Amino acid sequence: DQQVKQNSPSLSVQEGRISILNCDYTNSMFDYFLWYKKYPAEGPTFLISISSIKDKNEDGRFTVFLNKSAKHLSLHIVPSQPGDSAVYFCAASVTGNQFYFGTGTSLTVIP
Amino acid sequence: DAGVTQSPTHLIKTRGQQVTLRCSPISGHKSVSWYQQVLGQGPQFIFQYYEKEERGRGNFPDRFSARQFPNYSSELNVNALLLGDSALYLCASSTARYGEQYFGPGTRLTVT
Repeated sequence: DQQVKQNSPSLSVQEGRISILNCDYTNSMFDYFLWYKKYPAEGPTFLISISSIKDKNEDGRFTVFLNKSAKHLSLHIVPSQPGDSAVYFCAASVTGNQFYFGTGTSLTVIP
Repeated sequence: DAGVTQSPTHLIKTRGQQVTLRCSPISGHKSVSWYQQVLGQGPQFIFQYYEKEERGRGNFPDRFSARQFPNYSSELNVNALLLGDSALYLCASSTARYGEQYFGPGTRLTVT
């Protein structure tokens, strides 16, 4: 039972443009969400988080938006850089304890 | 500061054998979680330990067990290995029981 879904396995974006990665979840109890970036042969690297009391959180080039009514969150990367090419995972939890991960979206930023 | 470290990096075992994986959290982090990631999937939660006590368990059989030591390092044990246990095993630490988790590089387990 996949409670967190990333329906786009891959995404290609030109350098300097915006990358938008999407994530949907089914459990309305989820109240804490994270985004991770993963390079091959490395563990996931924490990028940004958001709790359900907010609908937006920014950190530099990264912004996460949360739409609780739609059970949807998205990660915006502006401007995209070639070094952003990696697999991105969203993760959700109830109270930030046990995290449920999506299947990942592979982002390629084309120079 | 050192990040989360895991050992060994790679491991090859035979069906039916037992394996122990090790994790050292970031200094000051008291919570350790274990995840299994199979190819093409996201990490799946196995266990969380906080202050040396099990605080959460995912949907894994009893062949999987773990413990946390007084220095907050942790071991994951898997008994009676099956081919399906072949995966990347990730350890993540956090400062408290709740909050963002920081991952180690993982241990790649291959069961033949």
